[in-house]
This record gives sequence, structure tokens and C-alpha cells, in this order.
Amino acid sequence: EIVLTQSPGTLSLSPGERATLSCRASQSVSSSDLAWYQQKPGQAPRLLIYGASSRATGIPDRFSGSGSGTDFTLTISRLEPEDFAVYYCQQFGSSPFTFGGGTKVEIK
Amino acid sequence: QLQLQESGPGLVKPSETLSLTCTVSGGSISSSSYYWGWIRQPPGKGLEWIGSIYYSGSTYYSPSLKSRVTISGDTSKNQVSLKLSSVTAADTAVYYCAKHQGVVVVTPFDSWGQGTLVTVSS
Repeated sequence: EIVLTQSPGTLSLSPGERATLSCRASQSVSSSDLAWYQQKPGQAPRLLIYGASSRATGIPDRFSGSGSGTDFTLTISRLEPEDFAVYYCQQFGSSPFTFGGGTKVEIK
Repeated sequence: QLQLQESGPGLVKPSETLSLTCTVSGGSISSSSYYWGWIRQPPGKGLEWIGSIYYSGSTYYSPSLKSRVTISGDTSKNQVSLKLSSVTAADTAVYYCAKHQGVVVVTPFDSWGQGTLVTVSS
């Protein structure tokens, strides 16, 4: 099973600041098999990024993904009030399809 | 617009079987040829993939739950169902159904239901 470790656990930032979230895999993951999701309280997750760097439909360009192998990054260039949420990475190339433990982006 | 809606009992007794249904509207689970999955999230915790199914019946299950899980599809009702047997308190979670992005299982989930909380308690 591929274990995904996300860091930091919590990120305290102000609106307008840049957020950098990390996802590290216990073994190599193909870039095409890595996704990022956003989840707000009481809501289902929403797909943000797939294929490590492709934005899903309707996702603003302040969200970007990068990385390869075992290290992947989600960057939010300038935080908007609606971006404060929990973010999960997921690999779906190897069963079981696993999620990271999440990074909470909170208002400082 | 595709919509997914989970339904089923909100309370299940220990050792019994949890049964949930996901009704898909705005699209056909057979003609659209996508995979459909179940994911769960214990209160205050992260996400866990349970398994996925193709409309033809091909299934993939998480090894940790495989012995207790059955996922099936009913194309006539446009529904996907989840059964989890011998439940314990550790199975208490919000259960989501979701659509895979592509026609193969190795794709992310791009549409999700709102989720339904199932509590296991006597």
C-alpha cells in the first residue's frame, strides 16, 4: 500500500498570501496518478488537480500542482477567503487508492 | 448536470450489515461508461477508498475491507449500492459515492455525492 504523508498538518496564513502544501509518497507514484482535493466543513471533497498538474473543470488558475516520483506540491498563489479548507492528495495508480491525511489551511 | 445522492439507514447495530444506495441523476451509469466508487470518512478524520465498480459489474475493492464489502450496480434504477458486513464502531463514518473521471478505474473522483453519516451503535 502506498502511504501518502501530507505536511504541514495545519497552515496558518492570511488572505493574499501564498500557500505551499506537500504530499510525499512512500514509493514512487506516476504523475498521471496523483490528484488533489479541497474539502470544506460539511461538504464533500472537490477535485482540484489531476495528473499532478492539470486543473479540473472550473478550478481557478491560482491553484497549481507540481511534482514527480515521491514528492508533490499544491500551490495556491494568493489565498482567497473561500480557499480556507482542508486539502487532500490521492494516488489512484495502485490499489488500494490511498489519500493523504490532509492539510488544513486556516486563517491566521 | 450529474448528481449523486446517497441514502440508507443512519444507524446500524454492531455485527449487522450496512447497506447504502447511491442514486445517479443527470446521466446513466451504463451509457456513460464510467467507474463509480465508494469512499468513507470517519468523523474528524481523513478519506478512505472502499471500492469501485464498472456498470458491467467489474469491481475493485480495498484489500483491508474486501472480505466484508460488496458493491453492485442496478442499471434499471441507475443506482450503485454498497454492503458492508459485520460492522463495528470503527465503521462509523460519512459514506460518499463518487464518479471516476475516466472510463478506467485508475482515475480520480470528479463528482461526489453529499455523503451520508452512518453510525454503528447498539
